[in-house]
This record gives sequence, structure tokens and C-alpha cells, in this order.
Amino acid sequence: GESVGLHLPTLSVQEGDNSIINCAYSNSASDYFIWYKQESGKGPQFIIDIRSNMDKRQGQRVTVLLNKTVKHLSLQIAATQPGDSAVYFCAENRRSGYSTLTFGKGTMLLVSP
Amino acid sequence: GAVVSQHPSRVICKSGTSVKIECRSLDFQATTMFWYRQFPKKSLMLMATSNEGSKATYEQGVEKDKFLINHASLTLSTLTVTSAHPEDSSFYICSVAGAKRDEQFFGPGTRLTVL
Repeated sequence: GESVGLHLPTLSVQEGDNSIINCAYSNSASDYFIWYKQESGKGPQFIIDIRSNMDKRQGQRVTVLLNKTVKHLSLQIAATQPGDSAVYFCAENRRSGYSTLTFGKGTMLLVSP
Repeated sequence: GAVVSQHPSRVICKSGTSVKIECRSLDFQATTMFWYRQFPKKSLMLMATSNEGSKATYEQGVEKDKFLINHASLTLSTLTVTSAHPEDSSFYICSVAGAKRDEQFFGPGTRLTVL
């Protein structure tokens, strides 16, 4: 069936580097996407979101890019810090107007000092 | 965003017993709450959608008689794992729907271990 997936299960970077986490989705009807950060033993924490009528959105140190042509979503983290180490999930809302999210498989980001 | 709490944060129980997990929305009246299950190194899987004052909607493959959900008020939803078995050991996470219908705010999770 249709699902949200990630290309890289683990990404290791050095402190100060920029990180890029990728996500592929298959449901062309999805109109809202969110990136969450989950630290060990904790619930997901909202990072940034983007709607399908946009292709880029920036937050503090983070940028989300959406390419609807190839159904690809990415999260860019600038100047990665050890505190950014966590699992990152992309999630999509497949039903406009309803709060039902489908999560991707997750990418572990490891930041070395 | 909404502040969501869960209680307990960790619970260990014997096989065959029932366990109740509470999810509270501390600063937001949540008409809709969600329950997820997450196995180690896996993603979140939606179990059910809980609407205040009505029966929960369960996802395919989730036994409604085993995972009882009650959403009696706008700030509290409970998940009861009945007759728990070791395979029910997991991380259970709730979330509340935000003012924008496609936002969700998550609780800190409850680690259930069934011996």
C-alpha cells in the first residue's frame, strides 16, 4: 500500500555540519507534511511543517523542502549540534481537513562533537 | 502548541492483568485524541482515534476489546490494555489534535512492560 518512507536509516555528522534528512512519500493526495524529532524514551516533538502549496519553509536552523513532482520531502538542519541527535520522522496528512497522520520509518541522526 | 501529559510514564505488570494509561491535555480542549504504539527502533503506528463523547475509531488490525479507549472529557482520554501479554510490551503515545485540524501535539509516552 501507499506509505511514507525514508532513504537513510542512520545519518552520522560532525558538530557544525549541515544535515539533510530525506523522505519519500507516495500519496500524491497528501497536502500537509510535518517533521518530528524524537529523543530516546520521549514523545515526538514538532519541528516544522509545510503545506502542499509551498515548496520551501524555513524555521530556526531548519528548512523543509517539498518537491511534489518527485514526491520528496527533506529536512535541512544548519550547524548541527549534539543536541540534535535523535530520530527524525516525516509524517503526512492524507486526508485534507482531518487530523490523521501517517509516519515514515524514521532516520537516526548522530552528531559527534 | 498544546501541552500533553501521560500517566504513568512507565509501568511493569504481570501477564493477564489490565493496565490503564491516561492522556491529558493540560491547556487545550481536545475534541480528538489519538493513540499510537511504537516498538523499539520502529515508527509510530496509529491504533485509534478517540473523539470526546463517542466511541473510538480503531485502525485495521487493532482489537477494540483488548485496547479499550475512553474519552469522557475534553482533557482526558484513557487507554486500557486488557489481559496484557508480553507481546503488548511497547511504547504507547497519545496526541491531541490542534486548532488547525491537521496539527497534532504529542505526549511523552508510556513504556509498558508485560512480564
